[in-house]
Amino acid sequence: GENVEQHPSTLSVQEGDSAVIKCTYSDSASNYFPWYKQELGKGPQLIIDIRSNVGEKKDQRIAVTLNKTAKHFSLHITETQPEDSAVYFCAAPSRGGGNKLTFGTGTQLKVEL
Amino acid sequence: GAGVSQSPSNKVTEKGKDVELRCDPISGHTALYWYRQRLGQGLEFLIYFQGNSAPDKSGLPSDRFSAERTGESVSTLTIQRTQQEDSAVYLCASSGSTGGTEAFFGQGTRLTVV
Repeated sequence: GENVEQHPSTLSVQEGDSAVIKCTYSDSASNYFPWYKQELGKGPQLIIDIRSNVGEKKDQRIAVTLNKTAKHFSLHITETQPEDSAVYFCAAPSRGGGNKLTFGTGTQLKVEL
Repeated sequence: GAGVSQSPSNKVTEKGKDVELRCDPISGHTALYWYRQRLGQGLEFLIYFQGNSAPDKSGLPSDRFSAERTGESVSTLTIQRTQQEDSAVYLCASSGSTGGTEAFFGQGTRLTVV
């Protein structure tokens, strides 16, 4: 099955700075890599995803990069704002068992004023 | 529906009682997932449905946990003889298919066993 590792577990940045969260995966057949944002008391929400045929995808202040050779992908948030404070999860599908999503352990991002 | 709907949003139950948690996925989504999230922790996979069958039940923690899905729609997660360690948020997600399309989560059911 898939093994997803996520770092760091907590991240504190000043408003306006950039934040980077990194994940590694084990299943070389994985072809889809989503990122979720979870605010307190809510379910995770998909914020961006990338498929294995591209190396980078950007959506306003959020970008995701993928390195298939090294089997890692990263979330980049630029010009951070207080509302970016949340827990972020990466995920990757497992080839076996119906391609269920395996999640990283999460990163608690705090954007300080 | 507009999104994944879970009910109840909160459930407090006494130790030893059975509980049923319900998930209404997005209409037409064939894949449905249940995850458990303990306080301050990550997402723990429980079970996955493709249509009405469950090809992967590997995450169910014990035989007290079971789930079913009918009509390729609603799913129910049942916990029998609840224990305090079952206290967590139970999240349901659905997607159009497996292995590459977006999965959308409900708000979760917060279960507290007292």
